[in-house]
Amino acid sequence: KAGVTQTPRYLIKTRGQQVTLSCSPISGHRSVSWYQQTPGQGLQFLFEYFSETQRNKGNFPGRFSGRQFSNSRSEMNVSTLELGDSALYLCASSERLAGQETQYFGPGTRLLVL
Amino acid sequence: AQTVTQSQPEMSVQEAETVTLSCTYDTSENNYYLFWYKQPPSRQMILVIRQEAYKQQNATENRFSVNFQKAAKSFSLKISDSQLGDTAMYFCAFMKRPFITTSGTYKYIFGTGTRLKVLA
Repeated sequence: KAGVTQTPRYLIKTRGQQVTLSCSPISGHRSVSWYQQTPGQGLQFLFEYFSETQRNKGNFPGRFSGRQFSNSRSEMNVSTLELGDSALYLCASSERLAGQETQYFGPGTRLLVL
Repeated sequence: AQTVTQSQPEMSVQEAETVTLSCTYDTSENNYYLFWYKQPPSRQMILVIRQEAYKQQNATENRFSVNFQKAAKSFSLKISDSQLGDTAMYFCAFMKRPFITTSGTYKYIFGTGTRLKVLA
């Protein structure tokens, strides 16, 4: 199976702009989670979508939002970008087998806000 | 709230030697999973090994094994016969059950990582 893919891989934006990142999960995976990774804060959980519904949410401001489509592809949107939003954004998809769940990560989108 | 602590920001090991990365966690949960993920310099995060808390037997995947001490809330990763390709950032992660949590509660919690360098 193909792995988790994320587009674009790199992005440069300026403060105040908005950005949309895309994630395609592994075929058959219905759960997609998003993380923000920065050198200072490590990996922080943003939110998780399952069957087009947000199932879990981390402690990020409302400028961060997401959605999932019927084919399980997910998008993450950040509005009114701030310098501190510069980070690597990781997407992970997961499957649940026999009550167990494991996440598989994509390569990430590196966002730079100037 | 759950926390995951990796107390070793950086480590190095000679090729072919054995190294142990430490991870401790804090939780009041009884049912959970623990993971070790590897993030090489190319940045793709890869699952190394997984441990279910209800299993007493330590998980093993080829050269990678864990020492899971539930009472001590410790979950260390041992890499045997270290290879240059093992050079990476290693993250310990905790996942609670049930899978669905209330808003504001993290489902997966990651440690801050240990940067491992394997020396030739």
